[in-house]
Amino acid sequence: ETGVTQSPTHLIKTRGQQVTLRCSSQSGHNTVSWYQQALGQGPQFIFQYYREEENGRGNFPPRFSGLQFPNYSSELNVNALELDDSALYLCASSLTGRTSARNEQFFGPGTRLTVL
Amino acid sequence: DQQVKQNSPSLSVQEGRISILNCDYTNSMFDYFLWYKKYPAEGPTFLISISSIKDKNEDGRFTVFLNKSAKHLSLHIVPSQPGDSAVYFCAARDTGANSKLTFGKGITLSVRP
Repeated sequence: ETGVTQSPTHLIKTRGQQVTLRCSSQSGHNTVSWYQQALGQGPQFIFQYYREEENGRGNFPPRFSGLQFPNYSSELNVNALELDDSALYLCASSLTGRTSARNEQFFGPGTRLTVL
Repeated sequence: DQQVKQNSPSLSVQEGRISILNCDYTNSMFDYFLWYKKYPAEGPTFLISISSIKDKNEDGRFTVFLNKSAKHLSLHIVPSQPGDSAVYFCAARDTGANSKLTFGKGITLSVRP
């Protein structure tokens, strides 16, 4: 069973640039959630994708957008990067179904984004 | 406004003793609570969870207690081992269909040999 993988591991961008982060979900999982973890904070929910559609969004501006592909992998895109976007971005996959109401989330190792 | 609070940023205990990690929440809609452990350079790893219809859940050395009236939960690790040294996050999920997790800031546990 393959776990959740994310790429790249680290990334350095400058203010105003755009970035795309990628996530491959765990085998058998159909739902992907993205979180932002700033230094000294807990992860904060950005959004979730289920069946290739956004299924809930946290308090993040529209310049944070995402995609989910038919193989359930996902991308997080951030436009017009700001200094405060520097953080660890975590992807979590889970299985959403009629009987899996508790759908535990399994996290990837994260992408460390630094905005200069 | 933080809905999940872990007010102690760190805890240090002796190997073999009990570690008690506390968590408070404010949202009455939360009905499921989880603890995650995180090592540096790794993502959070699920540790143990509890539904709001229970007040205790045990898994080996780990026990989670829930006091709904006080909106408080705690994670007990006994006996503590040096390998337990990590950041522990308390997380909560509300009754909505979306499985969004709301996390606390985390507590750094150090277990001294």
